[in-house]
Amino acid sequence: QVQLVQSGPEVRKPGSSVKISCKASGYDFNSEYMHWLRQAPGHGLEWMGLISPSGDSTFYAEKFQGRIIVSRDTSTTTVNMELSSLKSEDTAVYYCARDHYELITGYLVPFDYWGQGTLVTVSS
Amino acid sequence: DIVMTQSPLSLPVTPGEPASISCRSSQSLQHSNGYNYLDWYLQKPGQSPQLLIYMASKRASGVPDRFTGSGSGTDFTLKISRVEAEDAGIYYCMQALKTRTFGQGTKVEIK
Repeated sequence: QVQLVQSGPEVRKPGSSVKISCKASGYDFNSEYMHWLRQAPGHGLEWMGLISPSGDSTFYAEKFQGRIIVSRDTSTTTVNMELSSLKSEDTAVYYCARDHYELITGYLVPFDYWGQGTLVTVSS
Repeated sequence: DIVMTQSPLSLPVTPGEPASISCRSSQSLQHSNGYNYLDWYLQKPGQSPQLLIYMASKRASGVPDRFTGSGSGTDFTLKISRVEAEDAGIYYCMQALKTRTFGQGTKVEIK
């Protein structure tokens, strides 16, 4: 079965960086886009960026341009998200989620599977 | 950016009764292929969101048929025919036409 398993909680100081991983299993890792999203405490969901199946293309929300890097490692079927220049406002639960394209129908099924979430706390 | 607006933001419901959530987008979500790229998610307390409806009206795998999505263009609706206790949580609509943006969320509380 499809699983996305994220790395554990992190605590960082303002100005530092954090790297979160998302290990995928149970499907063809090289066939689906992967996204990163976040949810600040008591707030809604915010899309951060995506990486293509091959890993040669990324696209980020304008808000995070310049301080986010999403990468993927085919050998370990892992997608990583690094966020730098952290501020207290970056305290949130970060999620990976995959897109699924149904080959027969051509339907886009967005975020049909999610990771369990990784809490990142930014505090001095 | 496409702005998504949900209403109501809070919805107390009695088990067995119907419920309806509205979602409006700042621009049409209809692609040139005719499909509307609007999805619905439910986030239960302490859990990751789960997909309920994609492409405005297609029920995701395993989703009970009491959940129905409808709408086109800029106006969409999620209906629950008979609410059950397990349906409590926050419902989000999301557009997938241009990157992704979510509505503010609708908190469904079971009376």
